[in-house]
Order: sequence, then structure tokens, then C-alpha cells
Amino acid sequence: DIQMTQSPSSLSASVGDRVTITCQASQDISNSLSWYQQKPGIAPKLLIYGASNLQTGAPSRFSGSGSGTLFTFTISSLQPEDIATYYCQQCDNLPYTFGQGTRLEIK
Amino acid sequence: QVQLQESGPGLVKPSETLSLTCTVSSGSVSSGSSYWNWIRQPPGKGLEWIGYIYYTGNTKYNPSLKSRVTISVDTSKNQFSLRLSSVTAADTAVYYCARGYNYNSRMDVWGPGTTVTVSS
Repeated sequence: DIQMTQSPSSLSASVGDRVTITCQASQDISNSLSWYQQKPGIAPKLLIYGASNLQTGAPSRFSGSGSGTLFTFTISSLQPEDIATYYCQQCDNLPYTFGQGTRLEIK
Repeated sequence: QVQLQESGPGLVKPSETLSLTCTVSSGSVSSGSSYWNWIRQPPGKGLEWIGYIYYTGNTKYNPSLKSRVTISVDTSKNQFSLRLSSVTAADTAVYYCARGYNYNSRMDVWGPGTTVTVSS
């Protein structure tokens, strides 16, 4: 299985801050990476696919980059409603695997 | 916009079989561009992919669960289902169904999830 390692595991930032989360794959997955946002008690929501493509309806402050084994997810200006846990997921090889999640809090 | 809804018992006894159904609305389970997934999330933990099915009946499963999992599709009811046998407390989780858009691609539509507790 491909291991997906996210960092940090948790993050505290202020409204308006630029926030970056990193996801590293244990082997080359090209650009087969998605980012999801999950709020407590709610299903995950797709934000980014193909490493850098913004899902329809997702705010433009969200962005993704990277290829191969190293990927980043960025919120350009943190908003209060962005408080959530964020997961990366690879869909290059079966079984699909997720990172352990990054919990984002407001400072 | 496609919508998904999970249904099934919220409580299952140890050693029994967990059975859940996902109903697809405002779309078709027979869509050639869709792969129908099950994912689970134990309390306070991360996400685990269980498997998917294509409308033709082709399935792929997570090897960690493969011996216990069956995913099936009913095109006449626009539903797909999950069966997980010989459950233990470790199978207690929120179970989600989700649409995979195209082969080996993102999961863009998710059901709200259903909580299944394994307990006697």
C-alpha cells in the first residue's frame, strides 16, 4: 500500500493567515492526489483533485500543488469557516489511501 | 447533482454481518463515468477505503478487508450495497458511500454517512 504522510498533524493559525499543509507519498503517484475538508459530524468534501484542480464550488482561496511524491495544500487567507480536518488521498494505486489528517484550528 | 444516502442497521452483533445500502438519486448508478465506493471512519480516527464497484459488477477491495467484504450493485433500484462479515468492535465506524468520478480519480460526491456500532 502507498503510505500518505501529512504534516503537520495539527495547526493553529489566525484569520487571514496563509496556511500550508504538506502530504508526502511513499512512492511516485504522479498527480493522482485529492484534498478533502471534513468538519465534525459531516462527510468529507472534495476541494482539490489532480493535485492542483479546484473542485467546482470550492472557494478560490484553496489551492494545491505538487507531483510525484510531495504535495502541498494552501489556504491563501484563512477564514473562520475553514476550521476543519483536511485529508490528502492518493488514487494512483489500489488500495486508495488517505493521509492521517491535519486538524486546523483558529488561534 | 447526484446525491447519495446510506441506510442500514445502526447496531450489529459481533460475528454477524454488517449490511448497508447506498441509494443514488438525481443520477444513475449505471453511469459509465462513475465508480461507487465505500469508505469508513472509526470514531476519532482517519478514513479507510473499503472498496468500489462499477455498474457492470466489477469490484475492487482493500486487501485488509477483502476476505470479509462484498460490494454489489442493483441497477434496477439505483443502489449499491456493502456486506462485511464476521464483524468485531474494530468495525465500529461511520460508513460513507461516495462516487468516484472516472477510473482512479477523485471521490466527488459523498453520502452523509451512517454510524454502525458493533456490540452485543
